[in-house]
Amino acid sequence: DGGITQSPKYLFRKEGQNVTLSCEQNLNHDAMYWYRQDPGQGLRLIYYSQIVNDFQKGDIAEGYSVSREKKESFPLTVTSAQKNPTAFYLCASSAFAGNTIYFGEGSWLTVV
Amino acid sequence: AQKVTQAQTEISVVEKEDVTLDCVYETRDTTYYLFWYKQPPSGELVFLIRRNSFDEQNEISGRYSWNFQKSTSSFNFTITASQVVDSAVYFCALSEGNNDMRFGAGTRLTVKP
Repeated sequence: DGGITQSPKYLFRKEGQNVTLSCEQNLNHDAMYWYRQDPGQGLRLIYYSQIVNDFQKGDIAEGYSVSREKKESFPLTVTSAQKNPTAFYLCASSAFAGNTIYFGEGSWLTVV
Repeated sequence: AQKVTQAQTEISVVEKEDVTLDCVYETRDTTYYLFWYKQPPSGELVFLIRRNSFDEQNEISGRYSWNFQKSTSSFNFTITASQVVDSAVYFCALSEGNNDMRFGAGTRLTVKP
């Protein structure tokens, strides 16, 4: 099936640890995105990438890092510098910048 | 900068009622795109509709309809004869054709049997 796959669905992290969320798409989309959603709130853009080996910061990039070594993959690392990382993380992609964005199922990250 | 406002935080209706979700946007661009997404309890955002700024024609898809009015900067979403399966959080979003898609805070719709 074509789509966007995020893993893991649920992740627990100890304070001070880095964690990486995986995002893979087989839609042949050029652009990929990471959003963060806090309970009862809308989505905020963390990072986006328009092409391989290029990515840009969104509104809340501090404490996060990404890479785009392959067109299909856009992993997000939540570093220990992120002060309040507990949230729901959504990966998305679009055929090109500005086109309709399609989302994965999301990953829940909890700091314990 | 563009902005999307969904003033209704939560709406509760009884099954078979019609319900309208409001969306008001702000942008300085003449070319832009408006979206609606549905987020069921599972968490994944499901794309519902995309409308560009040059197309004010209203759209109907089954029980769903959208009313786009540039004069009031609104892009409202109506569900006719609501069903329990319509219970979800609905997001309105605005893109100016770049990577900066802005989402509203969402409206939580609860449809009671």
